Amino acid sequence: SQTIHQWPATLVQPVGSPLSLECTVEGTSNPNLYWYRQAAGRGLQLLFYSVGIGQISSEVPQNLSASRPQDRQFILSSKKLLLSDSGFYLCAWSRSGNTEAFFGQGTRLTVV
Amino acid sequence: AQSVTQLDSQVPVFEEAPVELRCNYSSSVSVYLFWYVQYPNQGLQLLLKYLSGSTLVKGINGFEAEFNKSQTSFHLRKPSVHISDTAEYFCAVRRGDSNYQLIWGAGTKLIIKP
Repeated sequence: SQTIHQWPATLVQPVGSPLSLECTVEGTSNPNLYWYRQAAGRGLQLLFYSVGIGQISSEVPQNLSASRPQDRQFILSSKKLLLSDSGFYLCAWSRSGNTEAFFGQGTRLTVV
Repeated sequence: AQSVTQLDSQVPVFEEAPVELRCNYSSSVSVYLFWYVQYPNQGLQLLLKYLSGSTLVKGINGFEAEFNKSQTSFHLRKPSVHISDTAEYFCAVRRGDSNYQLIWGAGTKLIIKP
């Protein structure tokens, strides 16, 4: 069966510090991978998606970047965090050509 | 452009009462439709999906939804809610010609009153 791991679960970082959130998928190959952000009281905002190694598409211009160094690894990064980067970050995957997405447990990021 | 509207940001309902969470979408092409549930500080879990065929789909935890093409709706229902159903519910749509793009509603918080 397929599983998705996302860590850390919670993170408190000072303004201006770097960020690295990691997500890995097991039990499948060549998945589509996604990073979402969920701000308080809002729905899901797609930040990045990837259909293959090294292929990253950005949906929203921002202070964040994403990388896919391996087939089942997706990393969300920032060089300098802003207060507005606080939120709940969700990694997800879907099978290529398939329909629904499967989500990780999320990372609660608080920038102070 | 596609959009998904969840008409209610919060729905309070008494335990064991029925509930309907509303979802409307706009799209000029065929779509796939989904409902997800999110418990506090957790990821999203798929409740049910409509891909094709019968317009009434049944999901986990006793939920069901009906696809109404003429009204472009996909409302979620449960005949009798339990306190454990307290969560946020998200409706999502994927274009039939898209490999990846899910369009999300803003979510509806289901509040169960004892």
